[in-house]
Amino acid sequence: NAGVMQNPRHLVRRRGQEARLRCSPMKGHSHVYWYRQLPEEGLKFMVYLQKENIIDESGMPKERFSAEFPKEGPSILRIQQVVRGDSAAYFCASSPQGAGYGYTFGSGTRLTVV
Amino acid sequence: DQQVKQNSPSLSVQEGRISILNCDYTNSMFDYFLWYKKYPAEGPTFLISISSIKDKNEDGRFTVFLNKSAKHLSLHIVPSQPGDSAVYFCAVLTGTASKLTFGTGTRLQVTL
Repeated sequence: NAGVMQNPRHLVRRRGQEARLRCSPMKGHSHVYWYRQLPEEGLKFMVYLQKENIIDESGMPKERFSAEFPKEGPSILRIQQVVRGDSAAYFCASSPQGAGYGYTFGSGTRLTVV
Repeated sequence: DQQVKQNSPSLSVQEGRISILNCDYTNSMFDYFLWYKKYPAEGPTFLISISSIKDKNEDGRFTVFLNKSAKHLSLHIVPSQPGDSAVYFCAVLTGTASKLTFGTGTRLQVTL
């Protein structure tokens, strides 16, 4: 029973490139959440998705960031034209229903922008 | 505007003693609180939670206390073990019960 799988674990991008972060939720989980942890800070909510729907994107920066959770395949967090300030650990979590009670987090993707 | 505050960035405790981690929140409407534990290079793992209708919840060595009037919760670990060394985050359920708001974390070091 695999947990939440995130890949890649580490991603290095030059300024201006695109970063694509993938998250496969736990089997049977149809709710996916993305969080970002900047250095020396707590995790900050970015977006909550169900299959083919964005439910809450109140934590997403207005530009360059987008997320999707297609009918088939993993959830993708896409960051276009990355800047140094995007360097952070990005965590995905999944739950079987739309509540925070049963979150399971993945191990994260550490993005470094050089 | 920090809604959840963990004012102690670090804590060192001897093995076998009690560890007490503290968390304050600003909104008296918050009604569900969680503690997560995080090791380096791993995602947070759920530890224990408490609803606002209770003032205490216990699970083995871990107990969470909630003081609603003070808007304060604490996590007690007793006895502390070296494997408990990690960063501990408190979190509250906000929004439409789907979003977690985290504190900045407390790094616990349990020494031999």
